[in-house]
Amino acid sequence: DQQVKQNSPSLSVQEGRISILNCDYTNSMFDYFLWYKKYPAEGPTFLISISSIKDKNEDGRFTVFLNKSAKHLSLHIVPSQPGDSAVYFCAASLSTGNQFYFGTGTSLTVIP
Amino acid sequence: DTGVSQNPRHKITKRGQNVTFRCDPISEHNRLYWYRQTLGQGPEFLTYFQNEAQLEKSRLLSDRFSAERPKGSFSTLEIQRTEQGDSAMYLCASSQRTGKNYGYTFGSGTRLTVV
Repeated sequence: DQQVKQNSPSLSVQEGRISILNCDYTNSMFDYFLWYKKYPAEGPTFLISISSIKDKNEDGRFTVFLNKSAKHLSLHIVPSQPGDSAVYFCAASLSTGNQFYFGTGTSLTVIP
Repeated sequence: DTGVSQNPRHKITKRGQNVTFRCDPISEHNRLYWYRQTLGQGPEFLTYFQNEAQLEKSRLLSDRFSAERPKGSFSTLEIQRTEQGDSAMYLCASSQRTGKNYGYTFGSGTRLTVV
């Protein structure tokens, strides 16, 4: 049973525009959320995180928004760059647990 | 700090054979995790160590799988009597959880193909 869902397998965006990647979750007990970025033949790289006590966290070009009532989070990348082309995974964890539950990923292509 | 190192990068084995993978975490990280990723899926949790203690195992980790971290440093994941369904990328990650702003550091993975 997939507790973290990324319903868009792929997304294409023009360079310089905004990329918005979406993630939904079903377990209301999740209290920590992360985004990972993965290039081919490499392991996932931690990108940005957000605690459930916040609704926004920003780090440079990357902003994560959390809507707890909708059980939805999104990652905004502004402006998008060709080097951002990768697979993006969202992940969630429980305060009492040690594992992360990952979505199936969204492949982002930024077109020069 | 050379990151999380996994060996081998690729392994092809015949069905029924045993395989062992190694993970060397970041040296100051006391937490180590194994995940498995199949095509089109996100990583799925297998097991977790804090120092040498294996504190959590997923139901995905059947009795053919065993993981060790004997001295709290490197870890091994062994799969006995491999099956074609074991074909996947096996990812190791480590962390030193401080505060709430944490994330794993993943290795590049070991890709297992069972033929």
